Amino acid sequence: NAGVMQNPRHLVRRRGQEARLRCSPMKGHSHVYWYRQLPEEGLKFMVYLQKENIIDESGMPKERFSAEFPKEGPSILRIQQVVRGDSAAYFCASSPSGTGWYEQYFGPGTRLTVT
Amino acid sequence: AQSVTQLGSHVSVSEGALVLLRCNYSSSVPPYLFWYVQYPNQGLQLLLKYTSAATLVKGINGFEAEFKKSETSFHLTKPSAHMSDAAEYFCAVSYQGGSEKLVFGKGTKLTVNP
Repeated sequence: NAGVMQNPRHLVRRRGQEARLRCSPMKGHSHVYWYRQLPEEGLKFMVYLQKENIIDESGMPKERFSAEFPKEGPSILRIQQVVRGDSAAYFCASSPSGTGWYEQYFGPGTRLTVT
Repeated sequence: AQSVTQLGSHVSVSEGALVLLRCNYSSSVPPYLFWYVQYPNQGLQLLLKYTSAATLVKGINGFEAEFKKSETSFHLTKPSAHMSDAAEYFCAVSYQGGSEKLVFGKGTKLTVNP
């Protein structure tokens, strides 16, 4: 059973470009979470999605950031017009619904560098 | 609102010595508590979890943690450190009905000296 997959693992973007980060949850998991890790800081929650629904986006910056988890395909975190401050590691996690909902499994992360 | 405080951003121990990483939480409802480990340039791996069953929780790699409600603590311990334990450790809290998101502490980097 494959774990949570994220791609790309490393992404370099120039200021003003768009970044698209992809996350495929573990098989059978319907809940996806995105977290951001800035240097010397812990992980900060960004958004929680279920298929075709955003459940909690309280951690998402108000502008330039969006997320989706379509009926088919991976979850996408999209950052428009990137700035240097967006440079960070972005982690996706997934969990099942019902029993075991609290156990989140993390992917290897996407390290975004904005030049 | 929930929060997690990890005392000590860096902890250094000798190989074979006791490992103690401290975590205190704040939650107005019964919490679910977790310890995760992160090796350089990798994702997070779940070490152990507390979900309102036994207060002493055993995890992988010989780690364990004890939930103490009166002290609002969930410290991580291992009797004898191994070189391979060198990593960053994160304590996290969530609760059912709270959108299930994890709230993390800032992490403790563990160094193991030979």
